[in-house]
Amino acid sequence: KQEVTQIPAALSVPEGENLVLNCSFTDSAIYNLQWFRQDPGKGLTSLLLIQSSQREQTSGRLNASLDKSSGRSTLYIAASQPGDSATYLCAVEDNTDKLIFGTGTRLQVFP
Amino acid sequence: DAGVIQSPRHEVTEMGQEVTLRCKPISGHNSLFWYRQTMMRGLELLIYFNNNVPIDDSGMPEDRFSAKMPNASFSTLKIQPSEPRDSAVYFCASSLGGASYNSPLHFGNGTRLTVT
Repeated sequence: KQEVTQIPAALSVPEGENLVLNCSFTDSAIYNLQWFRQDPGKGLTSLLLIQSSQREQTSGRLNASLDKSSGRSTLYIAASQPGDSATYLCAVEDNTDKLIFGTGTRLQVFP
Repeated sequence: DAGVIQSPRHEVTEMGQEVTLRCKPISGHNSLFWYRQTMMRGLELLIYFNNNVPIDDSGMPEDRFSAKMPNASFSTLKIQPSEPRDSAVYFCASSLGGASYNSPLHFGNGTRLTVT
């Protein structure tokens, strides 16, 4: 059974820092991996989608990498801003055609 | 693009009552998903539709839960009878993709359900 783990569960950093969020999954046979952002009281917003054949995707200050063989993905946020404060979730689609979510990393960026 | 629209935003009901949650997906999207989010279990897929047809309902907790998609622009999730353990935030999401998730999911803002 696929399990997705995110570390750390919570992170608090000063504005301007570069930071890395981690996601690991137990079954490397995945079709893709997505990173989402969730603001309090809101739904999830898709940030980046990495196909299984890709190794990374970039969008603005965000860069996500994927290492299928080791079952890991990282989300790199450059020059963090208070507006980046949110919960970040990763999710993998495996061969059961389901999107399995991690429990998220709650990020706070303070001025 | 108005995004995925869910109603109501909040629902408080007594145990045993029927609850109906509604969702309007993004126009043109052919896949629709219902998720439930709780602190204990995180996000769980309940059911998903492709071209209005239920593809996988294995995540539906029990017979008290049912979902319909009568047309491409509307879906409902019904709980009858509701129980306190059903309290959660229920999200609807849609995408352009088929059964695969190769297209990004677009989520609504959710319905917060409280069953007393």
